[in-house]
Amino acid sequence: DAGITQSPRHKVTETGTPVTLRCHQTENHRYMYWYRQDPGHGLRLIHYSYGVKDTDKGEVSDGYSVSRSKTEDFLLTLESATSSQTSVYFCATCFGTGNSPLHFGNGTRLTVT
Amino acid sequence: KNQVEQSPQSLIILEGKNCTLQCNYTVSPFSNLRWYKQDTGRGPVSLTIMTFSENTKSNGRYTATLDADTKQSSLHITASQLSDSASYICVVSANPGGSYIPTFGRGTSLIVHP
Repeated sequence: DAGITQSPRHKVTETGTPVTLRCHQTENHRYMYWYRQDPGHGLRLIHYSYGVKDTDKGEVSDGYSVSRSKTEDFLLTLESATSSQTSVYFCATCFGTGNSPLHFGNGTRLTVT
Repeated sequence: KNQVEQSPQSLIILEGKNCTLQCNYTVSPFSNLRWYKQDTGRGPVSLTIMTFSENTKSNGRYTATLDADTKQSSLHITASQLSDSASYICVVSANPGGSYIPTFGRGTSLIVHP
């Protein structure tokens, strides 16, 4: 959907290691988002971007950083992974005008041991 | 604070039966409300969008309603199929000219049994 590719799809890492998740889109959408999804919490916004090098924090941004050096790529970095960051991470994009829908990737399942 | 509440949290029905999912919101100023379907292991996909002036909108067996006065929406599924088993998420957006950060409900998990 909307040419959104997340990589990797699955990752297991150890506590304290850095982890980078990548989101790549081919639709030239302005807005890009990173969400995490956990049982009982639904989708929660980590960070979002409204243009190249323009990013802002969401409601659960602690422990995460992002970068957007090109329109098509949005990277999420866990500087030092913790077990509480075990989750499924979704990238989404949006054209950003009018009533545009969010288009989601198929997620990255991250396990921190 | 903008909030979206969905009920029930989970629902089990038999194939062929109808069901209705509820969404209450306190998002201001209201721009639009979308229902998304999320299949297991996949990202959510938009089913319908409702704007302020719309009361009902259908997409096949899915019919969404909106009451902007009471700030409630429902998603009615007719003649359910096994493929309807999924999580249904209500998402409300405010201020279309602003930063475009929608508010998500926690979803209703629907299981359709044969």
